[in-house]
Amino acid sequence: AQSVTQLDSQVPVFEEAPVELRCNYSSSVSVYLFWYVQYPNQGLQLLLKYLSGSTLVKGINGFEAEFNKSQTSFHLRKPSVHISDTAEYFCAVSGFSGATNKLIFGTGTLLAVQP
Amino acid sequence: NAGVMQNPRHLVRRRGQEARLRCSPMKGHSHVYWYRQLPEEGLKFMVYLQKENIIDESGMPKERFSAEFPKEGPSILRIQQVVRGDSAAYFCASSPDRGGYTFGSGTRLTVV
Repeated sequence: AQSVTQLDSQVPVFEEAPVELRCNYSSSVSVYLFWYVQYPNQGLQLLLKYLSGSTLVKGINGFEAEFNKSQTSFHLRKPSVHISDTAEYFCAVSGFSGATNKLIFGTGTLLAVQP
Repeated sequence: NAGVMQNPRHLVRRRGQEARLRCSPMKGHSHVYWYRQLPEEGLKFMVYLQKENIIDESGMPKERFSAEFPKEGPSILRIQQVVRGDSAAYFCASSPDRGGYTFGSGTRLTVV
């Protein structure tokens, strides 16, 4: 079984400042890892994913994340945020094994960018 | 390619009525997933379907909820005799295989 923990329910940050959104996971099997963004009253948009290979993954809108197997983490970072980055961010994990490719989501982190 | 289409976007039902949510996957995608997002929570897996088959329904409530993905037409998530606790956003996602999800914009169900 897999689980995802997003410790920060809300992260306030000023525009043009760097930000890190934390994600830790637990799993008894190898995993795929994802970050999704959800703007108000909209669906989820994939920011980036880790499937294999390089542990530093670059995504859309200037975001990147680093897979750290020893710390079971997949933190999301952006060096300089914009007002338009204000949204809910979800970390998710999917296990390799089994017939189902279902995603297990964290509870989300609201990134609130202030001018 | 129109993406994953869900309709309606908003649905209001009185307690005891039936809610029917539709999801048309992306062209060429034969795998469909339904998720529910309760207020202030993340998404919870409900059911995974391939054409004419339910592969994993471990997240579906035991009563009142059912899902199908017929050979022709959209996938349907049906909720019978809705209660206030069913109010949520329901998201559908599709994929061509076991990876690469694309989510729809969701159906927001309000039970009054």
